[in-house]
Amino acid sequence: AQSVTQLDSHVSVSEGTPVLLRCNYSSSYSPSLFWYVQHPNKGLQLLLKYTSAATLVKGINGFEAEFKKSETSFHLTKPSAHMSDAAEYFCVRKTSYDKVIFGPGTSLSVIP
Amino acid sequence: EAGVVQSPRYKIIEKKQPVAFWCNPISGHNTLYWYRQNLGQGPELLIRYENEEAVDDSQLPKDRFSAERLKGVDSTLKIQPAELGDSAVYLCASSLEKAGGDYEQYFGPGTRLTVT
Repeated sequence: AQSVTQLDSHVSVSEGTPVLLRCNYSSSYSPSLFWYVQHPNKGLQLLLKYTSAATLVKGINGFEAEFKKSETSFHLTKPSAHMSDAAEYFCVRKTSYDKVIFGPGTSLSVIP
Repeated sequence: EAGVVQSPRYKIIEKKQPVAFWCNPISGHNTLYWYRQNLGQGPELLIRYENEEAVDDSQLPKDRFSAERLKGVDSTLKIQPAELGDSAVYLCASSLEKAGGDYEQYFGPGTRLTVT
């Protein structure tokens, strides 16, 4: 079955330290992959997307993600967490049939 | 540029009552999606429209849910009758399909439904 796995339901980091949110996908080919962020009571916003171009993708707010086909991973990173980064993060893939599949989400807390 | 507009933002109804949600996508976007997001989970696609055609409604509970996008612009999602388990946030998103399938979905703020 085609799916998206986010290994951590919750991640807590201190302000100014690196952020790593993990995402793995199951697929027999290179899919289109996205990371979305959802702040409380706000709509989902696209952070970045991978569509078979460069494997290291830079997004908004200092986030980036690296597509690793050998590991079927698309982990999201940021060098230094800010308080405003506290939110829910979703890894998303689009299948060859244009079906969009969301991961279960990772809640990021940033400690002052 | 206006984003995806949804109304109402909040709705509280008793079970067995009908309810409807409205979505106006970004102008010019040909593809519209309805998702349901349960508490603590990721959104799940209910239905996807390309213009006025529903191209994927495989996850829509057709016994009680219906949707329409008559003129290929705004859309309505209806539940009749509502059940307690329908309590969730209903999200609408739109995108402009490009050749090769490289697209970004823009999401509305959602409608939070509470069924009592």
